[in-house]
Amino acid sequence: TQLLEQSPQFLSIQEGENLTVYCNSSSVFSSLQWYRQEPGEGPVLLVTVVTGGEVKKLKRLTFQFGDARKDSSLHITAAQPGDTGLYLCANRGNNRLAFGKGNQVVVIP
Amino acid sequence: NAGVTQTPKFQVLKTGQSMTLQCAQDMNHEYMSWYRQDPGMGLRLIHYSVGAGITDQGEVPNGYNVSRSTTEDFPLRLLSAAPSQTSVYFCASSSGGTGAAFFGQGTRLTVV
Repeated sequence: TQLLEQSPQFLSIQEGENLTVYCNSSSVFSSLQWYRQEPGEGPVLLVTVVTGGEVKKLKRLTFQFGDARKDSSLHITAAQPGDTGLYLCANRGNNRLAFGKGNQVVVIP
Repeated sequence: NAGVTQTPKFQVLKTGQSMTLQCAQDMNHEYMSWYRQDPGMGLRLIHYSVGAGITDQGEVPNGYNVSRSTTEDFPLRLLSAAPSQTSVYFCASSSGGTGAAFFGQGTRLTVV
């Protein structure tokens, strides 16, 4: 099973600030998904990246897939309290969807 | 628009009791999975299925059984509950490949 390492584990910022979190592996990702989980809920898919160097934007969220497909980043511009949550990266291999431990983001009003 | 439905939402068991967590999906997805989520540990895969009649073990299968007699249902059985199985359990379904995984709302299980 491919190991996904997410950093930082916990991040607390003020509303309006920018932040970046990371997902890395020693192996090449076939594709990578980012999910967000809010308290008491299951994770919800934000984006899937497939091609090395790919950049996708979802409103104030920018997702980047590394050229070598071993890493990905999620950048949030002008964070808002509604961005608070656990951000999880995931990779499917051998019919299994494996998750990293997550980036817990707290945006303080 | 039910998606993935898990029952129950909360459960307290005594050590040694058995129970079944139910999971049903109405999206005709072939792939279904069970995860447990513990603080600081992310989502760990317990068992998964790639279609009716086919199941396989994930990362942490000990103490759990599954079966997949239909495309829609994927129950998780705890054979003899232990305090170490106290966790939040999530069921997910997907179409496989790069398709999104859809999750239920989770079952919060406490074993005393």
